Amino acid sequence: SAVISQKPSRDICQRGTSLTIQCQVDSQVTMMFWYRQQPGQSLTLIATANQGSEATYESGFVIDKFPISRPNLTFSTLTVSNMSPEDSSIYLCSVTGFEETQYFGPGTRLLVL
Amino acid sequence: GDSVTQMEGPVTLSEEAFLTINCTYTATGYPSLFWYVQYPGEGLQLLLKATKADDKGSNKGFEATYRKETTSFHLEKGSVQVSDSAVYFCALTITGFQKLVFGTGTRLLVSP
Repeated sequence: SAVISQKPSRDICQRGTSLTIQCQVDSQVTMMFWYRQQPGQSLTLIATANQGSEATYESGFVIDKFPISRPNLTFSTLTVSNMSPEDSSIYLCSVTGFEETQYFGPGTRLLVL
Repeated sequence: GDSVTQMEGPVTLSEEAFLTINCTYTATGYPSLFWYVQYPGEGLQLLLKATKADDKGSNKGFEATYRKETTSFHLEKGSVQVSDSAVYFCALTITGFQKLVFGTGTRLLVSP
């Protein structure tokens, strides 16, 4: 399975600011995904990050709030813009491996005050 | 739409007890099924998977069998340890779509 790292691992931010989360994979992958896990909840897919094209967003998530970059096959960023306390969550990236199995990064724990 | 239903937690057990966490699914296609585990303060780890009916996934003493007739993928372990305390997520993905659909998660608490 791929080794996935995320930066930062956690952060505390003020409302109205933005945070960019980085996801790095140790091998080239076609598909990268960004998920949100709100406190005590399950995971919800935010978007699929496509290399060379715009990300594909799920219902309820928009590019202005969660812009995503995918400059190459090993790296992606997710920005959480104009943050409010409701954005306090764990944000996880994942990649697809053998038999379409998804492997997850360690997550970024975000607290917005 | 595709969905996954898990038993609500927390599940509280004593060490060495038998564990079952129920998971059922609804899917229009032919899903692959997964169990992921999230230990406190960590990300998700793949625990086991099954890609077709009657397959049995197993890892670290955990097992789950893909039952198409009952649309189920229940997680079992014969003897739990304190270190198994975590949140367990059942999930599915439809072949060719790659999007994971998660259940709500079940917290397992194992006491000595």
